Amino acid sequence: EDKVVQSPLSLVVHEGDTVTLNCSYEVTNFRSLLWYKQEKKAPTFLFMLTSSGIEKKSGRLSSILDKKELSSILNITATQTGDSAIYLCAGNAGNNRKLIWGLGTSLAVNP
Amino acid sequence: AAGVIQSPRHLIKEKRETATLKCYPIPRHDTVYWYQQGPGQDPQFLISFYEKMQSDKGSIPDRFSAQQFSDYHSELNMSSLELGDSALYFCASTSGTKFGGELFFGEGSRLTVL
Repeated sequence: EDKVVQSPLSLVVHEGDTVTLNCSYEVTNFRSLLWYKQEKKAPTFLFMLTSSGIEKKSGRLSSILDKKELSSILNITATQTGDSAIYLCAGNAGNNRKLIWGLGTSLAVNP
Repeated sequence: AAGVIQSPRHLIKEKRETATLKCYPIPRHDTVYWYQQGPGQDPQFLISFYEKMQSDKGSIPDRFSAQQFSDYHSELNMSSLELGDSALYFCASTSGTKFGGELFFGEGSRLTVL
């Protein structure tokens, strides 16, 4: 059965800290790994990763995929209170256009 | 830029009633996904449409039905509502021909069943 597992489930840090969120996947016909940020509304798309070892970067956020280890990490440097959210990871089972979601990591950044 | 539009944003119904949620995808997106998210849960995939045809079916109850219309908007019909149907319902759209998984979500429709 396809599954995506995220860790940790929750994390509390102080502003300025660097955090690393983990995502491992077992997805049939894997095509891509996606990261989303969800605050008190709809998930917003962060990254799509298809190739191993190539880092994607957007401001203080970066992510990389390891197809050998079937995992991905999302790094956030110099965290701010506005980074507080649930970070969702999803695996794309390409053949049937379905996303397999992890449970998310709840990140709280304290001032 | 135009985003995914969902309506209504909030809906309160009683048990056994019927509800209809609407989703208007981003222009030129031909693929629509419906998700249900309960409190503290990850989004549960319900159903998807590509070019007005059902492309995949997830954990959608038999009491629910959905379709995608010629203008690519989609409607989720929910009948015989139960308390457990109370959730946030997200619609997301993408371009099916370029699908890599990057879904663009609407703000969601919050359904409360009393």
